[in-house]
This record gives sequence, C-alpha cells and structure tokens, in this order.
Amino acid sequence: AQSVSQHNHHVILSEAASLELGCNYSYGGTVNLFWYVQYPGQHLQLLLKYFSGDPLVKGIKGFEAEFIKSKFSFNLRKPSVQWSDTAEYFCAVTTDSWGKFQFGAGTQVVVTP
Amino acid sequence: EPEVTQTPSHQVTQMGQEVILRCVPISNHLYFYWYRQILGQKVEFLVSFYNNEISEKSEIFDDQFSVERPDGSNFTLKIRSTKLEDSAMYFCASSESGQGVNYGYTFGSGTRLTVV
Repeated sequence: AQSVSQHNHHVILSEAASLELGCNYSYGGTVNLFWYVQYPGQHLQLLLKYFSGDPLVKGIKGFEAEFIKSKFSFNLRKPSVQWSDTAEYFCAVTTDSWGKFQFGAGTQVVVTP
Repeated sequence: EPEVTQTPSHQVTQMGQEVILRCVPISNHLYFYWYRQILGQKVEFLVSFYNNEISEKSEIFDDQFSVERPDGSNFTLKIRSTKLEDSAMYFCASSESGQGVNYGYTFGSGTRLTVV
C-alpha cells in the first residue's frame, strides 16, 4: 500500500532561517504530489502541487518543492521564513485523478521572532 | 475565493449519541469527500461521494458512518453511535470534476468532534 513519510514532526527555527521539510512516498507508479499548510484554527490550504513537467515547483508564499523521482521525494523549501509561516505542513499524494489523498503525518513548524 | 463551509466548528457529544456534521461544498462542485484527523495522527480519507452515491470508502468508514446530500447544497456525515475513538477533526472537501486533483479541490476548515 502507498504511504507518505514526513521526516520531521516538529521544527523550530528563527525568522530569516531557511526551511526544508522532507517528504517521501512509497508508490511505484505515477503520482501527483502536494504540500498543504494548516495555520492555527484554519483549513488546509494548498501551497503547491506537482503533476508533471518541471520537477521544481513554485507555490504560494515563497515556497517551492522539488520532485526527485529516483528518491521518491518531494521536499518543501523556503529560503527565508517569517513568523507568519508558523503552521503545520502536510505532504500528500494521490495516485489517480479522483482526489483520494494519502497524507503524511504533518510537520509542525514554529518560527520564532 | 469560494470556500467549503463546515458547521459546527466544534461539537461535543456523549458516547453513544448520533452526530451529524454538516458541510456546504462549493456550489458548482460535484465530488465530495470526508477526511478525519485524530489528534497527533495523519489526515485519513474516509469517503468520496458522487452522483448521490458513495464512490469509494476506507476501512474506517464502517456501518456506523453514513453520508448524504439531503438537498442541493449540504453534504453531511452522520455517525450513528459515537465512540470515544471517533474524537477527531473532520474535514470536508469538494472538487469540480472527477479530475479532482486538477480542478479546484478545496478543503473546509473542519469540525472538531469531541466524544465524552
């Protein structure tokens, strides 16, 4: 069965630091990859997604992610975080177009002033 | 920007009681989903719904659960007899077409269900 692993459960960093969150999936076929963010008390919001094409995907709020097929990875990056990036980040995968997501466990990111 | 609306935001219920969680999907969307997130655990798929019937459901979605689209706007999740382990955040989502992930797949803000 497919699964999604996020390496860090909790990350604390200072403003202006760089952020990288790891995501690996286990599925041998074609995948669609996503990163969602959940700010405190709010709904899941799509940061970025990858279906095909350029493996370096740019999303909202200065985030980007790189799909490395050989490593089954889709890591999220942001060069310089802000306090407002404090949130929980979820990696998600679908293996078809019908919208059944497989989520990772999430990474809680805390950015300190 | 269109939103998926869920009510209530927080519901507390006694074990054994029935609860109905309500969702108003985006108006032109045709595919509907429920997910749940037990505290500290992953967001898990429960069920997908299209054309007034369930298209897929997970192992979690047993006979205690049911979904319904009672009118043109609401999409509900009913838990017949709640258990302590049903305590979780429940997310509704909708998408415009069967190409769900390509067409405006949107999550609601969730209903936190607490079973006591």
